[in-house]
Amino acid sequence: ETGVTQSPTHLIKTRGQQVTLRCSSQSGHNTVSWYQQALGQGPQFIFQYYREEENGRGNFPPRFSGLQFPNYSSELNVNALELDDSALYLCASSLAGGGPHNEQFFGPGTRLTVL
Amino acid sequence: AQKVTQAQTEISVVEKEDVTLDCVYETRDTTYYLFWYKQPPSGELVFLIRRNSFDEQNEISGRYSWNFQKSTSSFNFTITASQVVDSAVYFCALSEYGDAGGTSYGKLTFGQGTILTVHP
Repeated sequence: ETGVTQSPTHLIKTRGQQVTLRCSSQSGHNTVSWYQQALGQGPQFIFQYYREEENGRGNFPPRFSGLQFPNYSSELNVNALELDDSALYLCASSLAGGGPHNEQFFGPGTRLTVL
Repeated sequence: AQKVTQAQTEISVVEKEDVTLDCVYETRDTTYYLFWYKQPPSGELVFLIRRNSFDEQNEISGRYSWNFQKSTSSFNFTITASQVVDSAVYFCALSEYGDAGGTSYGKLTFGQGTILTVHP
């Protein structure tokens, strides 16, 4: 069984640029959630994708957007990067619409640094 | 709004000591789930335990045990006979039914985390 994978591992961008982060869900999982974890903080929910549509969103501006593909993999796009976007971005996959009872399996994360 | 508080920022113990990590949560929902995750230095969050709001029975799983008390909104986690490999950041998290146009989803609300260091 293949776990959740994310790419790239690390990324350095400058303020104002755009970035795309990628996530492959665990085998058999159809729901992907994205979280932002600033240094020394707990992860914060960005949004969730189920059946290729956004299925809930946290308190993040529209410049954070995403996609889910037919194979359930997902992308997180961030436009107009700001210094505060520097964080570890975690992807999590789960089953069946991501209901609250479902365990979420996390990937290793992408460390984004904005200079 | 939902909130999770982990008052202990850092805990340091010597191997074989028992350690309890505290978690207090706030929610207006009657149906919710509580989780503990472990985050080693590699960064990947590892699922440890899950509890639903209707089941206050406390359990033991290997060296892990938890104490869920709905009356005090607490969900504490204990590691018995700690080991150096237990050193990590531990997160308590709350999951509720969301409000995404009627579709439920499992948004996790995390606490700030507790850094556990187990010394040999």
